[in-house]
Order: sequence, then C-alpha cells, then structure tokens
Amino acid sequence: NAGVTQTPKFRVLKTGQSMTLLCAQDMNHEYMYWYRQDPGMGLRLIHYSVGEGTTAKGEVPDGYNVSRLKKQNFLLGLESAAPSQTSVYFCASTNRGEAGELFFGEGSRLTVL
Amino acid sequence: LAKTTQPISMDSYEGQEVNITCSHNNIATNDYITWYQQFPSQGPRFIIQGYKTKVTNEVASLFIPADRKSSTLSLPRVSLSDTAVYYCLDTGNTPLVFGKGTRLSVIA
Repeated sequence: NAGVTQTPKFRVLKTGQSMTLLCAQDMNHEYMYWYRQDPGMGLRLIHYSVGEGTTAKGEVPDGYNVSRLKKQNFLLGLESAAPSQTSVYFCASTNRGEAGELFFGEGSRLTVL
Repeated sequence: LAKTTQPISMDSYEGQEVNITCSHNNIATNDYITWYQQFPSQGPRFIIQGYKTKVTNEVASLFIPADRKSSTLSLPRVSLSDTAVYYCLDTGNTPLVFGKGTRLSVIA
C-alpha cells in the first residue's frame, strides 16, 4: 500500500517556466489537499478538492491551478513560476467524515531561480 | 488563518514528560481537536484526536476540558527522537488549516 505519492520529489525551474506536480493516492480517499511549507513556517493551504471533478481555493491560491480529473489524482500546476514559489509542497488526502486524519506525501521540493 | 494558538517553541530534557497546550478559542460544536507531528523534511503525521475529556494512545495523551477552549498534548518520557514540530488543529468538515506549530527540542 503506497499511500500518498508525490512526483517529482525535487525540481529546479527558471522564472517563467511551467510545471505540474502530481499527487496520487491509493486509499480511495474523497478529499485531497495541496499545501506549501516555507523554511521555519507552518503549512499553508493552496487548493483542495472534496471529490472528483471539484476544486476549491485555500489560503494562498494565487499563481497555482489544480485539477482533479480522477479520484486518485490531484495535480498542482504552476503556469509561470516565480522565485516566491520556491518551497516544499505537500499533498494530503483523507475521507469524508474523517477530515481530521490527513495522510501526507513525502513532499516535493521546488526551487525557482 | 489558523484558528488555534500554541507556543512557538519548547525545550525539554530526555526522560521528562512534556505538555504542550493549545488554545481553541473559535472551535465549532462539531469540530474535533487533532494533533500532528512533523519531523524535518517529512510531511506531518497524525498523532491523536479527541472531542472532550481524555484520549490516550501508544504515542501520547490528549486532555480536553469541558469548555473545549484548550487542549494539552502530553508526551511521556520524551527522547531525542521526539524533537519535532507539533501542530494542534480544530478539525471538522472544513479544510484543515495549519498554524506555525510548536517546535519541541529534546536535549540529552
């Protein structure tokens, strides 16, 4: 049972480039989330999804887009990367009714030069 | 914005009991109180969850008073491997918002 898998784990981008982070979960969870964590800071919610085909904005959605075309996958896109988006990105998932127990991926470290 | 308030950091010696208190001034009636642990370079890990009174598992105990405006995470006899950031959250049907957490440093 892989749980929550994030790809890639590391990526370096130049300013203005685009990329997509993939989050895949094999636990049949309804809810999925994308967070970012800057050094010494807590996690900030970017976008989340409460089911296939649905997405919603979190605390810091600007500069990011997401899609949930399949229940098991939640994609996070950066259309035009900026140095301020250098961070570690975490994906998490859980079931409806169990919103307190999130299962996190290992994180994706993104550097924008 | 995070709905909870907790100390930024705490230090403890190995073998001591550590209590981390959190304020839940805006907790909703149907919210649970949940604590997470995060080691460096890893995602947070669920530790314990409760609604009221006391909950205990193999890792920690959680104390919640009757008014539910605070909670205390108790770690018995900490070791160096308990050095981590600990987050408290109000968890219900809304998306989970994390604060900055409490950075616990265990000293030998």
